Amino acid sequence: GAVVSQHPSRVICKSGTSVKIECRSLDFQATTMFWYRQFPKKSLMLMATSNEGSKATYEQGVEKDKFLINHASLTLSTLTVTSAHPEDSSFYICSAAGDLNEKLFFGSGTQLSVL
Amino acid sequence: QKEVEQNSGPLSVPEGAIASLNCTYSDRVSQSFFWYRQYSGKSPELIMSIYSNGDKEDGRFTAQLNKASQYVSLLIRDSQPSDSATYLCAVNTNAGKSTFGDGTTLTVKP
Repeated sequence: GAVVSQHPSRVICKSGTSVKIECRSLDFQATTMFWYRQFPKKSLMLMATSNEGSKATYEQGVEKDKFLINHASLTLSTLTVTSAHPEDSSFYICSAAGDLNEKLFFGSGTQLSVL
Repeated sequence: QKEVEQNSGPLSVPEGAIASLNCTYSDRVSQSFFWYRQYSGKSPELIMSIYSNGDKEDGRFTAQLNKASQYVSLLIRDSQPSDSATYLCAVNTNAGKSTFGDGTTLTVKP
């Protein structure tokens, strides 16, 4: 299957700092990537849809100025958590659709802990 | 009503038994259906996709789809302890955007 690389896998930061998470499709071009967050023992919550060359589409209740998404190329999307606070601590996961049948391939996730 | 509903479980089966996971969805125009497996602390991985009514088999896994009943299921034969995980049902209506169920946690006891 297609490979999606996500980096870093874990980050610990101080409150008020910004954190950038990268998501790369290694062996295919991903016009669309998705960003999720997941709390322990809860399901995936879609945050936004990242489209190459255009603005991301955010889900209701997700602050676009706090969670900045950039999809500058067909293989790279980034999520920046700006001015992180402890309540932003979560597991963030990206995914990309591998083909026209819309199967999703997920990155390995990033565990963010804000102190 | 949630768009995609799954029994939260936990579902517990003995090793070697058949595990049956169920999912219903509300949008009749849904076209693509997926099952993902997620181990604790890890991201989901695709295990099955199904697009037309009927059964689709892949190894020990069988996905079943009934669009008239808006129902999709996953059967795991000869369950192994390594199958213990949370299984997420996902349904696509718009291109590339999946709606996930809350997941069913499966425990296979040796």
